[in-house]
Amino acid sequence: DQQVKQNSPSLSVQEGRISILNCDYTNSMFDYFLWYKKYPAEGPTFLISISSIKDKNEDGRFTVFLNKSAKHLSLHIVPSQPGDSAVYFCAARGGGADGLTFGKGTHLIIQP
Amino acid sequence: NAGVMQNPRHLVRRRGQEARLRCSPMKGHSHVYWYRQLPEEGLKFMVYLQKENIIDESGMPKERFSAEFPKEGPSILRIQQVVRGDSAAYFCASSSNTLEKLFFGSGTQLSVL
Repeated sequence: DQQVKQNSPSLSVQEGRISILNCDYTNSMFDYFLWYKKYPAEGPTFLISISSIKDKNEDGRFTVFLNKSAKHLSLHIVPSQPGDSAVYFCAARGGGADGLTFGKGTHLIIQP
Repeated sequence: NAGVMQNPRHLVRRRGQEARLRCSPMKGHSHVYWYRQLPEEGLKFMVYLQKENIIDESGMPKERFSAEFPKEGPSILRIQQVVRGDSAAYFCASSSNTLEKLFFGSGTQLSVL
């Protein structure tokens, strides 16, 4: 039973445009959400997070939005750059589990 | 100022052999997590340890897999009698407490022939 879902396995965006990555979750007990970025042959690196008591968090080109009623969050990257090409994992903390619960990831490809 | 260190980076084993994966957490971190990533899949939680204690092993297969985090030395994930289905990337992560984000190592790619 997938509690964190990333329904788009891949996404292609033109350089300079906005990239929007989506994530849905089913467990209403999650209290903290994170986005990780992963390059091939490397471990995931933390990108940005948001507490369940907020609806937006911004850090430079990256903004995460949380819609608790819809159990949906999204990561916006603007403007998109070639170095943003990577796999992005949505993760959630809480819900009765230790550690983080991850989605399957979305492979973002930035086209020149 | 080393991050989470995992070794080896690549490990090749034949069916039936044992695999030992090592993880040294970041300095000052006492919480260690192991995750497994199968091809085309996300990261699946396996086990959560603190020094000398297994806190949660609900994601570990019941047989052949074990983990430890001794008082001295790295955390070890041990897989006995490996099978082809164990082939995956195994990631270790650490944190200073359960409320902090996790910092990941570069992973060990296990290939079972």
